[in-house]
Formats: sequence, structure tokens, C-alpha cells
Amino acid sequence: EADIYQTPRYLVIGTGKKITLECSQTMGHDKMYWYQQDPGMELHLIHYSYGVNSTEKGDLSSESTVSRIRTEHFPLTLESARPSHTSQYLCASSDREAFFGQGTRLTVV
Amino acid sequence: TQLLEQSPQFLSIQEGENLTVYCNSSSVFSSLQWYRQEPGEGPVLLVTVVTGGEVKKLKRLTFQFGDARKDSSLHITAAQPGDTGLYLCAGVNRNAGNMLTFGGGTRLMVKP
Repeated sequence: EADIYQTPRYLVIGTGKKITLECSQTMGHDKMYWYQQDPGMELHLIHYSYGVNSTEKGDLSSESTVSRIRTEHFPLTLESARPSHTSQYLCASSDREAFFGQGTRLTVV
Repeated sequence: TQLLEQSPQFLSIQEGENLTVYCNSSSVFSSLQWYRQEPGEGPVLLVTVVTGGEVKKLKRLTFQFGDARKDSSLHITAAQPGDTGLYLCAGVNRNAGNMLTFGGGTRLMVKP
């Protein structure tokens, strides 16, 4: 069973607010990822990390930022949320195989 | 740039039919995984294939890794409504620091 957790599960927030989506894994994986996904559609990689102090931008341009101070923790921050940020955000970690959190459904009103 | 191309993108079939989903690339992968995702949840790993030509079976699902380790297929026999979901393939690319690369997914709907 995968040990990767995302909080919150659902978030409704007003435009202009700062938000942080949390992601933690207890598997000791070096590689971690953030994906943005609209319902039933493909995964879009927005950030990834090879390990502590490593962060890279993914294929899809995003106004969010990430940090990787500890192996187990890979939070994503939006400084000023906008309605265009409304989506599902999925966090994953991998060794050879990827394990995903349950996702955060973000709605910006 | 999409390194992994999945086809078809969408598939709607009747219960009891067979189907095959394809995952193709011009890159060689050291391993390839298949995932299934239900609405509102994260993808869940179904299988990993490692050896070129490898075939793995999981009940009614048969997974095959191409001889050259550039492509894979997923065949479902006698599909059931419970098979409905988004099927994703992902490859481990040694040239990209062993990072996982996902295909665009195949959205399957099985109607009763």
C-alpha cells in the first residue's frame, strides 16, 4: 500500500489568496512530482524533484512554486490564486514505480 | 514533447467486448508501467514490465512489452463496467535521470 498523502483533499478559496498544497511520503523516494489534471484528461507535469534541494519545472508552465527541504515533503505553493488555477493537483513519488496521493481538488472562486 | 503516445485516446464499448490499448515511443525504456485511474482518485499501479517481449497477465488484463522496449500494449478480455477508467502508461527513462514519463492516457467506458 502506497504511503503518500496529500492535504487538503478539497479546497475552495477566493481569488488572490495564497495557498499551499501539502504532499508527504514515507517510502524514502528521492523523486517526487506534481501533476495538474482536469477531469478525465491527461496528467500535466508541472514540477518535479530529483531529491533534497532539487526542484525543476515540468512540461506545463505553472505559476506555482515548490520546495524540497526534506526527502519526505514536497509542498506546492500558489502566491495568488486565480480561477484559472481551478483543477485537480496530484502528487507522486517514485523509485522504479510511481505512487500517487489521492489528489487535491482546488476551486478558486 | 510527449515521449509516450497512447492510442486510442477515448474508447467506448459494450460489456463483454475485447479491447487493446497501445503505448508507443521512439525512446527505449528500462521499464514500463500501466496505471488505472478512477474519477477523483490518483492513478493506481497495475503492472510493471521490464524485459523486452515480456507478457504479464492480471486476470482479464494482458500486458505486453515490445521486444525493443519502446512500446507496450494492454489487452482486456470480456470488458466489464468496472473496467471503466483512465488507463495510463509510464516509462522510466534512463536518459532523464530515471524519471517517470507518462503517456496521455486512454479513457475507457464500458457500457452495461
